[in-house]
Amino acid sequence: DLQLTQSPSSLSASVGDRVTITCQASKGIRDYLNWYQQKPGKAPKLLIYDASNLETGVPSRFTGSGFGTDFSFTISSLQPEDFATYYCQHYDNLPFAFGGGTKVDL
Amino acid sequence: QVLLVESGGRVVQPGRSLRLSCAASGFSFSRFGIHWVRQAPGKGLEWVAVISSDGGTTSYADSVKGRFRMSRDNSKNTLDLHMNSLRIEDTGLYYCAKTRQEDSADGMDVWGQGTTVTVSS
Repeated sequence: DLQLTQSPSSLSASVGDRVTITCQASKGIRDYLNWYQQKPGKAPKLLIYDASNLETGVPSRFTGSGFGTDFSFTISSLQPEDFATYYCQHYDNLPFAFGGGTKVDL
Repeated sequence: QVLLVESGGRVVQPGRSLRLSCAASGFSFSRFGIHWVRQAPGKGLEWVAVISSDGGTTSYADSVKGRFRMSRDNSKNTLDLHMNSLRIEDTGLYYCAKTRQEDSADGMDVWGQGTTVTVSS
């Protein structure tokens, strides 16, 4: 089955920092990749779909890029409410899978 | 308001069965696939299963294949996850989530609040 390798697994950052997370697929998945944010005790929230499209209502400081096997997710200027765990997820073929997650903290 | 509400989670012994339910409202339920995703305590997200909008197609993670089964009732806007031969490693918070696009198995744009399953002797 297809694997998603997300890195780093955690990072420390400050408000205003630019943060980038990568997600590598074990084989090509076109642009069938999503990014989610999860805060403690809450359900995940879809931020980016189809690798680079911003979900409605999501701030523009969140961006995604990539195609095939290599993807990245960037927060251009970290805000206090962005401290959370972020996951990539592919839907190229079944079974779907999530990356291991990246915890962004202070 | 688009809403998904899970129920049915509880403490159950290994080897026993459990049925989780997901009730939907605020959207055309019969047009969207639904996923189950779980999260073990302190761990990441694990995709579990998906069912197509008409209920005719299901797919499962290898970890639950042959033990779990999804079904849906589009007349009642509900779906179930039938869990058999439960294992300790099935413990976690189970979310149902709606597919983003109609008649598609893509990402999850609306999630429920989750229901907790604990498998323990």
